[in-house]
Amino acid sequence: NAGVTQTPKFQVLKTGQSMTLQCAQDMNHEYMSWYRQDPGMGLRLIHYSVGAGITDQGEVPNGYNVSRSTTEDFPLRLLSAAPSQTSVYFCASSNTASDEKLFFGSGTQLSVL
Amino acid sequence: DAKTTQPPSMDCAEGRAANLPCNHSTISGNEYVYWYRQIHSQGPQYIIHGLKNNETNEMASLIITEDRKSSTLILPHATLRDTAVYYCIVRGGYYGGATNKLIFGTGTLLAVQP
Repeated sequence: NAGVTQTPKFQVLKTGQSMTLQCAQDMNHEYMSWYRQDPGMGLRLIHYSVGAGITDQGEVPNGYNVSRSTTEDFPLRLLSAAPSQTSVYFCASSNTASDEKLFFGSGTQLSVL
Repeated sequence: DAKTTQPPSMDCAEGRAANLPCNHSTISGNEYVYWYRQIHSQGPQYIIHGLKNNETNEMASLIITEDRKSSTLILPHATLRDTAVYYCIVRGGYYGGATNKLIFGTGTLLAVQP
């Protein structure tokens, strides 16, 4: 049971490049979400999904797109990377949207030059 | 969701109990108190949660005051591996939306000393 798997672990981009951060879970969880973590600011919610085909915005959605075509996968897309998007990104999932326990992946460290 | 206030850092001696406080004076009746921790470079890990009764599991105990305006997470016998940032989060009950939109503050850095 792998839990929540994020790839890649590290990524360096140039300003204006696009890329997709991958997140997959093998627990058949309905709820998935993306957070970013910046020094001194805790974790901030970017986007979330309560089930396949349903997504919504969190606190800081600008510059990011998501889709949820399957229960297992919830990719995060950066269409045109900016230095302000340099951060550590965490994907999390839970059994349902009201479940009390979130499971987090190990994170993707992204640097935008 | 109610805002929480935690001290930025605390020290604890190995083997002793670690008591991490959290203030949530604006908590409302249907809001739960959650605790997560984040060990360096890892994703956050769920510890415990409660509504108004004290709770205990294999990791920790949660003590919530009678007025629910504050709580304390207790690690009964802290080890070096408990060194982490501990987040206290208040979250409402289910209202038809995605209630797992947990809002993480900056937490308390607990340093367990040998």
